[in-house]
Amino acid sequence: SQTIHQWPATLVQPVGSPLSLECTVEGTSNPNLYWYRQAAGRGLQLLFYSVGIGQISSEVPQNLSASRPQDRQFILSSKKLLLSDSGFYLCAFGEDRANEKLFFGSGTQLSVL
Amino acid sequence: DQQVKQNSPSLSVQEGRISILNCDYTNSMFDYFLWYKKYPAEGPTFLISISSIKDKNEDGRFTVFLNKSAKHLSLHIVPSQPGDSAVYFCAARGWDDKIIFGKGTRLHILP
Repeated sequence: SQTIHQWPATLVQPVGSPLSLECTVEGTSNPNLYWYRQAAGRGLQLLFYSVGIGQISSEVPQNLSASRPQDRQFILSSKKLLLSDSGFYLCAFGEDRANEKLFFGSGTQLSVL
Repeated sequence: DQQVKQNSPSLSVQEGRISILNCDYTNSMFDYFLWYKKYPAEGPTFLISISSIKDKNEDGRFTVFLNKSAKHLSLHIVPSQPGDSAVYFCAARGWDDKIIFGKGTRLHILP
């Protein structure tokens, strides 16, 4: 069965520090991968999605970036965090077009101070 | 530009009654619509979906209705139970596999 792992669960970082959140998927190949952020009053905002290795689409201009170095690994990064980067970050995967569902990780609560 | 809109931030329903959560969308090219349930500090879990070629899909206590002409869908939960208290997100899938979520509706089931 497919599983998705996301870590860390919580993170407190000072403004201006770098960020690296990692997400890995098991039990499926060539998944679509997504990064979402839930900020207060903003719902689930799509940040990045990827339909294959090295293929990243950015949805929101910001100081975050994403990379997909392996088929089932998706990394969210920042060189310098801003206060506005605080939020609950969620990684998700979709199997293929025939299966419309997304499966989410347990999320990372990021607090930038 | 919000393509998926949930205009009610919160909804309170008596236990045992029907809960109706609404969602509007603007993009007529969406091919699937999904509903997710989310508890605090957890990832959303899938509830039910509907293809754009259908107008109704039912799964146990959950039914989703799609009105394409109005670009509107709704989730009906009947009967509502205490464990249904959560935030509910409406989502839509585009031709490019991009899945857009609404802002969510917080459902409170009252005893």
